[in-house]
Amino acid sequence: DADVTQTPRNRITKTGKRIMLECSQTKGHDRMYWYRQDPGLGLRLIYYSFDVKDINKGEISDGYSVSRQAQAKFSLSLESAIPNQTALYFCATSGALGGEQYFGPGTRLTVT
Amino acid sequence: GEDVEQSLFLSVREGDSSVINCTYTDSSSTYLYWYKQEPGAGLQLLTYIFSNMDMKQDQRLTVLLNKKDKHLSLRIADTQTGDSAIYFCAERNRDDKIIFGKGTRLHILP
Repeated sequence: DADVTQTPRNRITKTGKRIMLECSQTKGHDRMYWYRQDPGLGLRLIYYSFDVKDINKGEISDGYSVSRQAQAKFSLSLESAIPNQTALYFCATSGALGGEQYFGPGTRLTVT
Repeated sequence: GEDVEQSLFLSVREGDSSVINCTYTDSSSTYLYWYKQEPGAGLQLLTYIFSNMDMKQDQRLTVLLNKKDKHLSLRIADTQTGDSAIYFCAERNRDDKIIFGKGTRLHILP
């Protein structure tokens, strides 16, 4: 079984809809991250969390919110989706001591 | 601000060595990473190096770190068709955020 899972893997939604992307991990890591990947722009950090009570904005948090429901779960929400949020979204985890980061398989989101 | 730069494209003949270069700006980086992304897949951690090391070798992979010049490289010996992918350099900064480069697409020539 994969250590970091994301659901859904693919989603097509319309402008203005609310959508939630979910991430679960079995690695026991405290730190979890949400990134988006756009062609030619690499990965950009949206939000990150170092434990259940800690939420921090990344470089492109506008239009997104997150919830850390438990150590193992970190969800990303788009309150009102817009077309320029069409991208590949990755969840990642890392251990508190650093040195390793593991990525989920990604969610491909299309906003029409 | 922090920045991680890498060339966007590299073309190498099968059997030759590939060298992917990366520069970064944050001198207080704690760890530096190389990830591999194959088409349609997520990112796979290939290797990482702690900032007080200058070299790490793991089978066909060699990572060199020049902390003075803030330069990181990944050498893949005996490049094979399965090495065709996008390679991302990343640094973990003093705030424990991980900053990624835009990725280098490695193309293997027959």
